[in-house]
Amino acid sequence: KNEVEQSPQNLTAQEGEFITINCSYSVGISALHWLQQHPGGGIVSLFMLSSGKKKHGRLIATINIQEKHSSLHITASHPRDSAVYICAAEYTGTASKLTFGTGTRLQVTL
Amino acid sequence: EAQVTQNPRYLITVTGKKLTVTCSQNMNHEYMSWYRQDPGLGLRQIYYSMNVEVTDKGDVPEGYKVSRKEKRNFPLILESPSPNQTSLYFCASSLLLGFMGTLDEQFFGPGTRLTVL
Repeated sequence: KNEVEQSPQNLTAQEGEFITINCSYSVGISALHWLQQHPGGGIVSLFMLSSGKKKHGRLIATINIQEKHSSLHITASHPRDSAVYICAAEYTGTASKLTFGTGTRLQVTL
Repeated sequence: EAQVTQNPRYLITVTGKKLTVTCSQNMNHEYMSWYRQDPGLGLRQIYYSMNVEVTDKGDVPEGYKVSRKEKRNFPLILESPSPNQTSLYFCASSLLLGFMGTLDEQFFGPGTRLTVL
């Protein structure tokens, strides 16, 4: 069964710290998505990756196809980054069907 | 403003009483999808649609129906709701990329919190 695993499940950081959230998947994918769920419940799409690296502001997402692994980095973290971060895989042969990780809850304190 | 709307936002109902949750997008996206989110289980895909009149099962389709008669609308129908369908539901839409149908950035609705007694 295709699975997606995230680590850590919970993460507490101080403002300014560099943060890394990891996502591993089981077999070949066509794309990997990173989502952010705000404390109020709303979900926003951060990145879609099929290879390499993408950057948006203080957020960086990377993917290593050979190792079946993706990372989401947050530089100079801020309390407003506190949210649940979710990765989701589109497995090869089942494009448009998503399998989600259970999420990483990030709390950034002053 | 580009958006995905869902209605109702909150619903409390009783077992067996048919209900429909509506979803509408104004971005002319081919792809629409329904997800449910439960504590400890995360997001799971219920059904998705890659275009009008084309729908496919996700990981947890049992007890749900969908239809895609128009590009902008993708209602979720619970013919006979049961307590195990108590959950937070999200609708989302996206463009499709390339011939493989890979998803672009998804736009999510605000969520519908459903309680079935």
